[in-house]
Amino acid sequence: DQQVKQNSPSLSVQEGRISILNCDYTNSMFDYFLWYKKYPAEGPTFLISISSIKDKNEDGRFTVFLNKSAKHLSLHIVPSQPGDSAVYFCAASDLNDMRFGAGTRLTVKP
Amino acid sequence: NAGVTQTPKFQVLKTGQSMTLQCAQDMNHNSMYWYRQDPGMGLRLIYYSASEGTTDKGEVPNGYNVSRLNKREFSLRLESAAPSQTSVYFCASSESVAGGFTDTQYFGPGTRLTVL
Repeated sequence: DQQVKQNSPSLSVQEGRISILNCDYTNSMFDYFLWYKKYPAEGPTFLISISSIKDKNEDGRFTVFLNKSAKHLSLHIVPSQPGDSAVYFCAASDLNDMRFGAGTRLTVKP
Repeated sequence: NAGVTQTPKFQVLKTGQSMTLQCAQDMNHNSMYWYRQDPGMGLRLIYYSASEGTTDKGEVPNGYNVSRLNKREFSLRLESAAPSQTSVYFCASSESVAGGFTDTQYFGPGTRLTVL
């Protein structure tokens, strides 16, 4: 069962515009959420995270929003840059488990 | 600092053969993890280790064994490889002292395994 879902396999945006990547989860026990970025032939790298006690966390151009009642989180990238083109994985965890979504491939066009 | 290193980068096996994937980290991290990534599936946890000498099953442990040789090294063994184990395998480590999943995980570059 896929407890973490990223329903958009791909997203294409213009340089300078906002990228919004979405993620839904089903397990209400998850209390920590992370976004990882992955370039081809490399391992995932940590991007940003949020605890369930918060609804927003910012780090430079990256902001993650959490809506616990809807079991939904999103990653906003503003402004988007060509170097942001990668696969983005959302992950949800509790003390004993971590589940990843299938990823969204973001393409930022110059 | 090399971070997390994995060997080999690529491997082709025949069904029934065995092999060990090696992973090492130089960040003095307590916890280490093995994941597999399949198309359309994201990463799935195979096994993890909260400390030297301890290991726990993840979401998809069947067909695999692990050894936490010391604090630096965590190996994944396929005793009798099957085509369903064709995947990209990632090792990761984190500072977590309790084997939890709320600390940032640092990933290696992956091993691409094909089982014919």
